[in-house]
Amino acid sequence: GAGVSQSPSNKVTEKGKDVELRCDPISGHTALYWYRQSLGQGLEFLIYFQGNSAPDKSGLPSDRFSAERTGGSVSTLTIQRTQQEDSAVYLCASSLGWGSIAKNIQYFGAGTRLSVL
Amino acid sequence: ELKVEQNPLFLSMQEGKNYTIYCNYSTTSDRLYWYRQDPGKSLESLFVLLSNGAVKQEGRLMASLDTKARLSTLHITAAVHDLSATYFCAGGGGADGLTFGKGTHLIIQP
Repeated sequence: GAGVSQSPSNKVTEKGKDVELRCDPISGHTALYWYRQSLGQGLEFLIYFQGNSAPDKSGLPSDRFSAERTGGSVSTLTIQRTQQEDSAVYLCASSLGWGSIAKNIQYFGAGTRLSVL
Repeated sequence: ELKVEQNPLFLSMQEGKNYTIYCNYSTTSDRLYWYRQDPGKSLESLFVLLSNGAVKQEGRLMASLDTKARLSTLHITAAVHDLSATYFCAGGGGADGLTFGKGTHLIIQP
């Protein structure tokens, strides 16, 4: 079946512009996660959605970052007024939900490579 | 706050040899995960370890968990080139997301 789909795969933008990254989770997965991967910081957790519940935004790096999830499925991560330090690979993952063994495995998308010039 | 440390961060080894990657974590974690990442690719789940003494094996890879020592190991037996990748361990999950180690970049040379 289809895995986690992210778009675009690559995004080059100028400093100060806004960008929107999209994630389509695996069908039926209620939990959705965003992570950031960079050489300096490794893999960092950003935000978690469980179904339609409001997320805890405390993991987002700054107030320029926001995320939403519509209809309990597709999610978008928006970065406003991008800065060079935002350059990284943004990974999305989904899982069946917190609980049993099988439900807890997070399946990752291929990521969006963001370059801020 | 959970912290996860892996070592070594870089490992170059010859085919046919055995080696172990170590993963220490700072506080209690319900689960310990191992992922593999090939260059430019996504993360692939390898193992989920749930309880003290848990051991999982897949091919030439074997993962174990010692919750008392807060230590997980990933053992590679008779390495082959196809196992060259970056391996991550991670703990936590749920609403706090996974906390990853920095990864072990493994190169297996003929």
